[in-house]
Amino acid sequence: AQTIHQWPVAEIKAVGSPLSLGCTIKGKSSPNLYWYWQATGGTLQQLFYSITVGQVESVVQLNLSASRPKDDQFILSTEKLLLSHSGFYLCAWSPDSLRQFFGPGTRLTVL
Amino acid sequence: GQQVQQSPASLVLQEGENAELQCNFSTSLNSMQWFYQRPGGSLVSLFYNPSGTKHSGRLTSTTVIKERRSSLHISSSQTTDSGTYLCALDNTNTGKLTFGDGTVLTVKP
Repeated sequence: AQTIHQWPVAEIKAVGSPLSLGCTIKGKSSPNLYWYWQATGGTLQQLFYSITVGQVESVVQLNLSASRPKDDQFILSTEKLLLSHSGFYLCAWSPDSLRQFFGPGTRLTVL
Repeated sequence: GQQVQQSPASLVLQEGENAELQCNFSTSLNSMQWFYQRPGGSLVSLFYNPSGTKHSGRLTSTTVIKERRSSLHISSSQTTDSGTYLCALDNTNTGKLTFGDGTVLTVKP
């Protein structure tokens, strides 16, 4: 069975500090991977997707970047956090770009 | 305009009543999913239903492509059904899910 993990569970960071959020998928080779973001009370938005190692496509510009260093790993990062980056970050995977399965999420508070 | 519109925005029921949640979309679609969002934010996949009707326990999802709508029916609601229900569609071939704003369901005992 496939499992998806995200880390950390929650973060409190200062404006201007760097950020790195991680996501790993176990039990599935070559999955499509996605990052989503939801502001408090807002709508979920897809940020990035990747269909293979080393290739990441940006969907929404939020001064964030993503990388896929390994087949089962997806990283979301920025060198300088903004207040507007606060929210809930979800990683998802798909075997076929149709049905998507979500991780438990990371709650980020930027102060 | 918004590609995916959910209605109602919120719904309050007495336990045992049925609920009908709607999702209307303005584009073609390759996939349609319904999710339950837990209070902590994580998503539980309820249905992958790009067309037709699917059942799972007390839940039924129906998607009618030519009418550009999908619905989620909850029968005999329970207090544990309370939460936010989201529909999401993809009209690309890249898995770019576009989410609706959700329906917040409250079931009172």
